[in-house]
Amino acid sequence: AQSVTQLGSHVSVSEGALVLLRCNYSSSVPPYLFWYVQYPNQGLQLLLKYTTGATLVKGINGFEAEFKKSETSFHLTKPSAHMSDAAEYFCAVTNSGGSNYKLTFGKGTLLTVNP
Amino acid sequence: DTEVTQTPKHLVMGMTNKKSLKCEQHMGHRAMYWYKQKAKKPPELMFVYSYEKLSINESVPSRFSPECPNSSLLNLHLHALQPEDSALYLCASRQGLAGSNEQFFGPGTRLTVL
Repeated sequence: AQSVTQLGSHVSVSEGALVLLRCNYSSSVPPYLFWYVQYPNQGLQLLLKYTTGATLVKGINGFEAEFKKSETSFHLTKPSAHMSDAAEYFCAVTNSGGSNYKLTFGKGTLLTVNP
Repeated sequence: DTEVTQTPKHLVMGMTNKKSLKCEQHMGHRAMYWYKQKAKKPPELMFVYSYEKLSINESVPSRFSPECPNSSLLNLHLHALQPEDSALYLCASRQGLAGSNEQFFGPGTRLTVL
């Protein structure tokens, strides 16, 4: 079984400030981890993913995330927020074993960016 | 082409209507998915097709009927829906059912059932 917890359903930052969105996962086998972004009335766009190898993963739009196995975390960060980053962010996990067809999503974090 | 397309963008239907949602991808992906997403919630998996065969049905009511005519196309046929079925319906595709590959999502169809 696998699960994802996103701490904070709503995060508000000022433009230019650090963005930190938290994600903790639970998985009985080594996980594959993903961050997706969803702008209003649109589909989900992949920001970045961790599968194996380097634990610091860089994605699009200046975002990065670090896989910490000991903390079962995969927090998303961006050094300087832009107004265009305002969106819903979903952390998701799937397992690395067998037929891992299913993505388990967290409940999402709404990011607002204040001018 | 790294895109999943969905038509229509918006759909309004009555409870007695029959309509269909369409999804298309030309990335050579062999796994395709239907999700339902309510406002301020994550997507919920409905169906998974692998190599044009239905692999997973997440206990979805029979008023939703999926179809995969070929490897590029995925349809969702709707009949006798209820107002609570109003949601954003998302299609996604993936290279295969196993491995580390991500799912690519379409823009969705916003469905309103009156």
